[in-house]
Amino acid sequence: QKEVEQNSGPLSVPEGAIASLNCTYSDRGSQSFFWYRQYSGKSPELIMFIYSNGDKEDGRFTAQLNKASQYVSLLIRDSQPSDSATYLCAVNRPAYGNNRLAFGKGNQVVVIP
Amino acid sequence: DVKVTQSSRYLVKRTGEKVFLECVQDMDHENMFWYRQDPGLGLRLIYFSYDVKMKEKGDIPEGYSVSREKKERFSLILESASTNQTSMYLCASSISNQPQHFGDGTRLSIL
Repeated sequence: QKEVEQNSGPLSVPEGAIASLNCTYSDRGSQSFFWYRQYSGKSPELIMFIYSNGDKEDGRFTAQLNKASQYVSLLIRDSQPSDSATYLCAVNRPAYGNNRLAFGKGNQVVVIP
Repeated sequence: DVKVTQSSRYLVKRTGEKVFLECVQDMDHENMFWYRQDPGLGLRLIYFSYDVKMKEKGDIPEGYSVSREKKERFSLILESASTNQTSMYLCASSISNQPQHFGDGTRLSIL
């Protein structure tokens, strides 16, 4: 089982719609969860982090964490063309202490004007 | 804002050369990381350092070494570059379990 899985293929959403991305993780002891945005040819940029069960909102972004089901989601409301990017889910790896992360392979989002 | 600076955006080297990639952060972070990112394989950790002169192997350390002589600087060394080390190399830094912040990356081509 992969440490972090982002299974869905490219996601196309109309401008103004909600984009929903999901991520599952295998280590029940994980405590820290991150979403990064990566534009083509650029480096990952942190957009959200969440440590507690429930929702965390920051502007148009909402992260949702469900530790019992071992998944973390990212919602992008009012999607804009500038949101077109690959979104990486990252989870800490308790077996290596608190500092190391496992990354999913990413979900590509395309916002259609 | 955290600033992580990688010395080169693009680098072309030849097989067998010794290659140095440099990374500097300005936020006094104790943790620094080197990753490589390849299509279909995602981000993979090469080496991690949690303090000056301290290092730990990541998931794919073979063919690489690192140096951390000062807290703000973390260097990745390709001892004898090979074509399968052509990749995007990303440096990151963090404090404890806080988010990692990435540099702009170095796209390295080995010919």
